[in-house]
Amino acid sequence: QAVVTQEPSLTVSPGGTVTLTCGSSTGAVTSGHYPYWVQQKPGQAPRTLIYDTNNKHSWTPARFSGSVLGGKAALTLSGAQPEDEADYYCLLSYSGAVVVFGGGTKLTVL
Amino acid sequence: EEQLVESGGGSVKPGGSLRLSCATSGFSFSNAWMSWVRQAPGKGLEWVGRIKSKTEGGTTDYAAPVKGRFTISRDDSKNMVYLQMDSLKTEDTAVYYCAAVGWGQGTLVTVSS
Repeated sequence: QAVVTQEPSLTVSPGGTVTLTCGSSTGAVTSGHYPYWVQQKPGQAPRTLIYDTNNKHSWTPARFSGSVLGGKAALTLSGAQPEDEADYYCLLSYSGAVVVFGGGTKLTVL
Repeated sequence: EEQLVESGGGSVKPGGSLRLSCATSGFSFSNAWMSWVRQAPGKGLEWVGRIKSKTEGGTTDYAAPVKGRFTISRDDSKNMVYLQMDSLKTEDTAVYYCAAVGWGQGTLVTVSS
């Protein structure tokens, strides 16, 4: 089974910009992996921020954006807020049959 | 507003079975692909499996650790999705979430002797 890799932890200053990445053990991540980004705050259920690479839901703050860059999926947060402190998970689809989550990135806003 | 509410969690002995339910409302359930995701205590998210909409075949896919033991089904007349879990192992202990566009709040399954 494929392994999806994410940075274990990142720190960003309030108002700053940070990019979280998502790689695959099978090779370059493309839009054909339909990357999702899921946010989970402590003690809360997850919620999907980004789907299919760069699509946002109505509840997704405008400061979040998704892309595929340099063979990885990326989640960019521009203008970090204290409430963005959370765990972020990417997930990738393989051949339309199997979905794999990354191990998650713990984002600290400090 | 989309709502998903899981139920059916609880404690079970290894080798036992449990059936989780997810009641949904606020979206076009019959067109939705429904997924189950779990999270072991203190760990990350793990995809369990999904069921496609009937118009796209209603087929299911499963993660390797649960394939052959877990079965996902849906009842479009009731806007419900189910997760039948058989031959449970201690490593299946987790909070189980159902998800479509939104996510439910989860239900805890504990497998212990």
